[in-house]
Amino acid sequence: TQLLEQSPQFLSIQEGENLTVYCNSSSVFSSLQWYRQEPGEGPVLLVTVVTGGEVKKLKRLTFQFGDARKDSSLHITAAQPGDTGLYLCAGGRNTDKLIFGTGTRLQVFP
Amino acid sequence: DAGVIQSPRHEVTEMGQEVTLRCKPISGHDYLFWYRQTMMRGLELLIYFNNNVPIDDSGMPEDRFSAKMPNASFSTLKIQPSEPRDSAVYFCASKGGAWVNTEAFFGQGTRLTVV
Repeated sequence: TQLLEQSPQFLSIQEGENLTVYCNSSSVFSSLQWYRQEPGEGPVLLVTVVTGGEVKKLKRLTFQFGDARKDSSLHITAAQPGDTGLYLCAGGRNTDKLIFGTGTRLQVFP
Repeated sequence: DAGVIQSPRHEVTEMGQEVTLRCKPISGHDYLFWYRQTMMRGLELLIYFNNNVPIDDSGMPEDRFSAKMPNASFSTLKIQPSEPRDSAVYFCASKGGAWVNTEAFFGQGTRLTVV
């Protein structure tokens, strides 16, 4: 059973377009993290959100944690080819165990 | 710090053979995680250790898989006997601190192919 479902699974867009990736669960999480993984590498942390309704910005990336702490979104403005990669959300539920979502594979074409 | 170091980077083995994957966590980190990544199932947690002690191995697929952490700077994941369905990329990650928000640092992974 996958606790964290991401959508869409795949996304191919042109440079300059905006996009949103979603991470949903039926369970409440104490925090959510977003990671990006490039081919041949391990995931690298982008951001951690801990408070329901929290919004964090990282340059052209905007992360939001849902009010009920069951979902999160990642919005990229004016996507660039360097944003290409696998985006993973990961949740923790008051334990030290980190569970990863199903992933969204993003391809940005020049 | 060199980061989390995994070896080998690639492993090709025949079905039935024993495979040992190795991981050196970041110095000072007290948590170590083993994950398996496939296209079908994504990134699955297999087992994790705190201060070299296994805490949760509920993700280990079956008895063919075993993991050890004899000291704070070394861990192994062993598959014996290996099967084609074990083919995947295996990641080791470490973090310092129990708080779930603490950043986990991943190694580059070991790509295992069982033929």
